[in-house]
Amino acid sequence: QVQVQESGPGLVKPSGTLSLTCAVSGGSISSVNWWNWVRQPPGKGLEWIGEIYHSGSTNYNPSLKSRVTMSVDKSKNQFSLKLSSVTAADTAVYYCATWSPPRGFDPWGQGTLVTVSS
Amino acid sequence: DIQLTQSPSFLSASIGDRVTITCRASQGISSYLAWYQQKPGKAPKLLIYAASTLQSGVPSRFSGSGSGTEFTLTISSLRPEDFATYYCQQLNSYPRTFGQGTKVEIK
Repeated sequence: QVQVQESGPGLVKPSGTLSLTCAVSGGSISSVNWWNWVRQPPGKGLEWIGEIYHSGSTNYNPSLKSRVTMSVDKSKNQFSLKLSSVTAADTAVYYCATWSPPRGFDPWGQGTLVTVSS
Repeated sequence: DIQLTQSPSFLSASIGDRVTITCRASQGISSYLAWYQQKPGKAPKLLIYAASTLQSGVPSRFSGSGSGTEFTLTISSLRPEDFATYYCQQLNSYPRTFGQGTKVEIK
């Protein structure tokens, strides 16, 4: 069964770019799934960042759209998130997750905490 | 954006209690609703999708109902491992949105 796992720096400087990768195992990224990013600030709720299909089609949250870029690397069976011009408000646990209609998001990665601080 | 409002935000209950959490959408979302359980330090876990379909491996004491704008998650008999925070999510339109969460604690 498909599993996903996030990786990337845990500390990013203000005004810098947050870069995370989600490795897909147990299945192909070129399957029917959409590949999602969700974040959760410490002690707060869940916020959907966006999703990408293996073709490169994307849907982003309008609240973050100007700063978000997602991409797929089929050769490595992984997908990535870049969030530019970060501030302390972007400090959160970032999760990757997969979605195949009509199901919900499943599975999720374990999450990775990214702190924005100088 | 479609707003999802969960009630209550906090719930204190005892082992064996029947628990119901409500999720109201700001506009109709048909049955495109999922429920998740999240424990501290862990990723959310999918419990129910399409409003009422139990995810494989999820105990049958969990059930979901509703369509349109009003949905419920019911735990028929609360067990110790059910103390957690529960979120609803709409998958009807973009951007995907989540409810604010309902924390279920031990009375």
